[in-house]
Amino acid sequence: GQNIDQPTEMTATEGAIVQINCTYQTSGFNGLFWYQQHAGEAPTFLSYNVLDGLEEKGRFSSFLSRSKGYSYLLLKELQMKDSASYLCAVRDLSTGGFKTIFGAGTRLFVKA
Amino acid sequence: GAGVSQSPRYKVAKRGQDVALRCDPISGHVSLFWYQQALGQGPEFLTYFQNEAQLDKSGLPSDRFFAERPEGSVSTLKIQRTQQEDSAVYLCASSLGPGQSTDTQYFGPGTRLTVL
Repeated sequence: GQNIDQPTEMTATEGAIVQINCTYQTSGFNGLFWYQQHAGEAPTFLSYNVLDGLEEKGRFSSFLSRSKGYSYLLLKELQMKDSASYLCAVRDLSTGGFKTIFGAGTRLFVKA
Repeated sequence: GAGVSQSPRYKVAKRGQDVALRCDPISGHVSLFWYQQALGQGPEFLTYFQNEAQLDKSGLPSDRFFAERPEGSVSTLKIQRTQQEDSAVYLCASSLGPGQSTDTQYFGPGTRLTVL
């Protein structure tokens, strides 16, 4: 089956760096996504990793290790507007390739 | 251009009523997904359409849930005889390519369904 684990909540200070970890178990891995979701709003795409390594996009970076079933999202120069839930999601070919399996999300609180 | 839109944004139903939730995907997007998101949880897959074909409905929780996309654009998720456990936000997402691709999924704002 599929299982995705990420911390429930994290708190960080404005201007700092925060790392949100995600571990997953899946039998047909076909890529890992990170989404941001502000309260009451739709998830918005942040990053996609299918090969091992680090993908950098502005203040956000995402890392993947397929052998360890592990990813992290790194947020630099935190801003108050970064307070949101961050969803780790995995595409799994074993289910036909159509499903994206989401974790429960990590609620990030950025304080001044 | 316009993003994914959903209507209504909020729906309150009495237990036992039928509801219909609408999704307008981004024009030209082949793939359309429906998700259910409970409070404090991530979205859970319900069903997937490639154009008008429903290729995966394995996530629909019961036979009270039915989805269609008859012309390959607008989709409707129907819930019959609603129960309190159906209360959730229902999200629709679309992507340009077929479902097996890794195209970005663009989400709509969701419909918050409350069953009393």
